[in-house]
Amino acid sequence: DSGVTQTPKHLITATGQRVTLRCSPRSGDLSVYWYQQSLDQGLQFLIQYYNGEERAKGNILERFSAQQFPDLHSELNLSSLELGDSALYFCASSVDGRPNNEQFFGPGTRLTVL
Amino acid sequence: DQQVKQNSPSLSVQEGRISILNCDYTNSMFDYFLWYKKYPAEGPTFLISISSIKDKNEDGRFTVFLNKSAKHLSLHIVPSQPGDSAVYFCAASSTYSGAGSYQLTFGKGTKLSVIP
Repeated sequence: DSGVTQTPKHLITATGQRVTLRCSPRSGDLSVYWYQQSLDQGLQFLIQYYNGEERAKGNILERFSAQQFPDLHSELNLSSLELGDSALYFCASSVDGRPNNEQFFGPGTRLTVL
Repeated sequence: DQQVKQNSPSLSVQEGRISILNCDYTNSMFDYFLWYKKYPAEGPTFLISISSIKDKNEDGRFTVFLNKSAKHLSLHIVPSQPGDSAVYFCAASSTYSGAGSYQLTFGKGTKLSVIP
């Protein structure tokens, strides 16, 4: 158990819909990362937050957005869903976001868009 | 354009033998490298890392080698055990402050099967 929790574990929805994925980082970790893993792909970095503020954006679509709340949990919002958005979405947290600080990953949310 | 490549999607090794997983990168700004291990239905877990100022780092049965000139790193597992069967991801990052965030760039992974 990494200490990072993600809800829900599974999500099935239809094209055009909007969903929210939730992540609670490890106690004491200030930085949260979101990654997407599509079929046969590595983990693609989406976005990083540090202590409530956006630190970096990766390959995140404009239909996607995220935020980190004062209690440090984070939410990833996916809207106008398309079939290609079906993937595993991982959240990771680290102490302060520096590269030599290990990122701890949650178990992921599997999103299926029908 | 993939900046981190794991060209072997799968690898099978007999228990007790050495497992060697390879990874190549193209971005010269990368100077910190990590290996993650992933079991089905779980998130990746950190295994071992190496900074570009080193060419080798060991942790028990796991050793990572870095060849900066070839932009290549490898993970050696000796001896391999059935519990090592998992997907292994190579990841890279840049520690230069001017590079912005320290997000990890991952390869697609290599599925290791250790046969008893």
